[in-house]
Amino acid sequence: EVVMTQSPATLSMSPGERATLSCRASQSVRSNLAWYQQKVGQAPRLLIYGRSSRATDLPARFSNSGSETEFNLTINGLQPEDFAVYYCQQYSFLPRTFGPGTRVEIK
Amino acid sequence: QVQLQQSGSGLVRPSQTLSLTCSVSGASITTPAYYWTWIRQSPGKGLEWLGYIYFNGGSYPNPSLRSRLTISRDTAQNQFSLHLTSMTAADTAIYYCARDLQTGYGVAFDVWGQGTAVRVSS
Repeated sequence: EVVMTQSPATLSMSPGERATLSCRASQSVRSNLAWYQQKVGQAPRLLIYGRSSRATDLPARFSNSGSETEFNLTINGLQPEDFAVYYCQQYSFLPRTFGPGTRVEIK
Repeated sequence: QVQLQQSGSGLVRPSQTLSLTCSVSGASITTPAYYWTWIRQSPGKGLEWLGYIYFNGGSYPNPSLRSRLTISRDTAQNQFSLHLTSMTAADTAIYYCARDLQTGYGVAFDVWGQGTAVRVSS
């Protein structure tokens, strides 16, 4: 199965800063990658998938980039509600696999 | 508005079978644009995709669980279910159902159930 890794494990940021989260796949998944946000006690929430498809009402400060094996999620101007755990997930191969997550915490 | 409502027991004895149901409102489980998925989350293994059932009733369980996992559906009730046999402590997790949206631009779990915390204990 495709192994997903994410870095860093924890990102300590201040509100207003730009956060860049990285995700790597053990083999090429083309652009078949999705990003999710999870807050404590909640189910994950879809953010972005594919080249540029966005969840309904997703703020413009969230953007994605990358393809093949290297991907980034960028959050421009962190808002208080953005402090959460973020997961990448590939859907190029079965079984679908998730990364271990990056926690974005308040510095 | 699509909603997924999970039901089922949160406490399972070792070696017993876990049964969970996901009731779908606002969408039909027979619509070709959607697959219907089970995912679990544990501190040790993170998010783990368990498998899905297609709009036509076919299913694909994660190979790691294939011998123990059955995903089925009831089209009259617009529900789909998970049955996981021979439960052990390693299966303790939060179990989620989700809609797997299939589009020409990609695939994503766009709607999730509320999660069911399952504990395996005697």
